[in-house]
Amino acid sequence: AQTVTQSQPEMSVQEAETVTLSCTYDTSESDYYLFWYKQPPSRQMILVIRQEAYKQQNATENRFSVNFQKAAKSFSLKISDSQLGDAAMYFCAYHRAGNDMRFGAGTRLTVKP
Amino acid sequence: GAGVSQSPRYKVAKRGQDVALRCDPISGHVSLFWYQQALGQGPEFLTYFQNEAQLDKSGLPSDRFFAERPEGSVSTLKIQRTQQEDSAVYLCASSPTWRGSYNEQFFGPGTRLTVL
Repeated sequence: AQTVTQSQPEMSVQEAETVTLSCTYDTSESDYYLFWYKQPPSRQMILVIRQEAYKQQNATENRFSVNFQKAAKSFSLKISDSQLGDAAMYFCAYHRAGNDMRFGAGTRLTVKP
Repeated sequence: GAGVSQSPRYKVAKRGQDVALRCDPISGHVSLFWYQQALGQGPEFLTYFQNEAQLDKSGLPSDRFFAERPEGSVSTLKIQRTQQEDSAVYLCASSPTWRGSYNEQFFGPGTRLTVL
């Protein structure tokens, strides 16, 4: 079974600084997608960024980028120029076509003004 | 509305009561998913619908949990004879395509169920 591990229960960053959230996953498949979702206190999960496993190029979305290391099964999220609104729970997720999405336990990010 | 909505947002039930949680997906979305999120944990898959067909219910924890989507739009998750371990946030998500394709899942705000 595929599992997703987020080893950092909590992280803290100073406003305007950069922070990296870690995620590793376990799979024997070669074709899958990886996602980072943000869950603010309102509980609405919001997609931050996604990465197709067959693409070598790391995905970027404005201040958010990933470091995807397929061989190492690692998928970290880098948030640059952190803003107060980035404070939330961040979940890493693995999805293979035809199967359910698997989430990690999450990382709570605090942004200090 | 533009997004996925869920009702009620909060539900308190006495142990042994039956509850029904509603999900209104984005109009036209083919796929609908239910997840259970325990406190401090990530969402865990419960069940999947493609239109009105429930194609995967492998994540339902017991036969007290039942879900339906009779007309391929609104879905209801029913929990019979609630137990304290059922206390969690129940998230609904929808997607424009079937689960076999890779597409973003759009989540609702969830229903927080507390069983006393």
